[in-house]
Amino acid sequence: AQKVTQAQTEISVVEKEDVTLDCVYETRDTTYYLFWYKQPPSGELVFLIRRNSFDEQNEISGRYSWNFQKSTSSFNFTITASQVVDSAVYFCASNAGGTSYGKLTFGQGTILTVHP
Amino acid sequence: DSGVTQTPKHLITATGQRVTLRCSPRSGDLSVYWYQQSLDQGLQFLIQYYNGEERAKGNILERFSAQQFPDLHSELNLSSLELGDSALYFCASSGRVGGNTDTQYFGPGTRLTVL
Repeated sequence: AQKVTQAQTEISVVEKEDVTLDCVYETRDTTYYLFWYKQPPSGELVFLIRRNSFDEQNEISGRYSWNFQKSTSSFNFTITASQVVDSAVYFCASNAGGTSYGKLTFGQGTILTVHP
Repeated sequence: DSGVTQTPKHLITATGQRVTLRCSPRSGDLSVYWYQQSLDQGLQFLIQYYNGEERAKGNILERFSAQQFPDLHSELNLSSLELGDSALYFCASSGRVGGNTDTQYFGPGTRLTVL
């Protein structure tokens, strides 16, 4: 079974601050995938990134970056120079690889509020 | 826009009733997943279908059932509704041949309120 923990329930920052959202996962699978999703106030779940267990390269996409470390079972997400539009609930998730069609196990989510 | 559509967007009904939620996956996706999001349970996987066949089951109640039709759209049926079934129900799809088969793309959700 997989488990995802997002220890930060809520984070509040002021615009232009950098913010890091933590995610720790547990799995016995050797092949697995990790994801981040964003849920803005409108309610939909928006896919941000996918990372497989064999690829520990960090990734940067604009103001977003992700740090995957198998040694600490962490997949943290950093927003640089945050903006009010980044206010949302962010979910980290995992699924077991191999089948490629596995269910997602979600963390409890981190509510990010960016104040102007 | 993820390409996944769900209807209706909102549903208000009474305890004991039965409702059907509908989902159309992204074009070419073969897998459909259903998730329930509630304040106390968070986002929970309910069930997965792949090309018309049930592939995996999660914490789905016996009062709930689902199916995937030949055109790949899916329906989630919730019966004998209870107050605690009030939640946001998401459909997701994945499995496009030749594409990224592992990423699930979510629809906008159906908000169910049971009174």
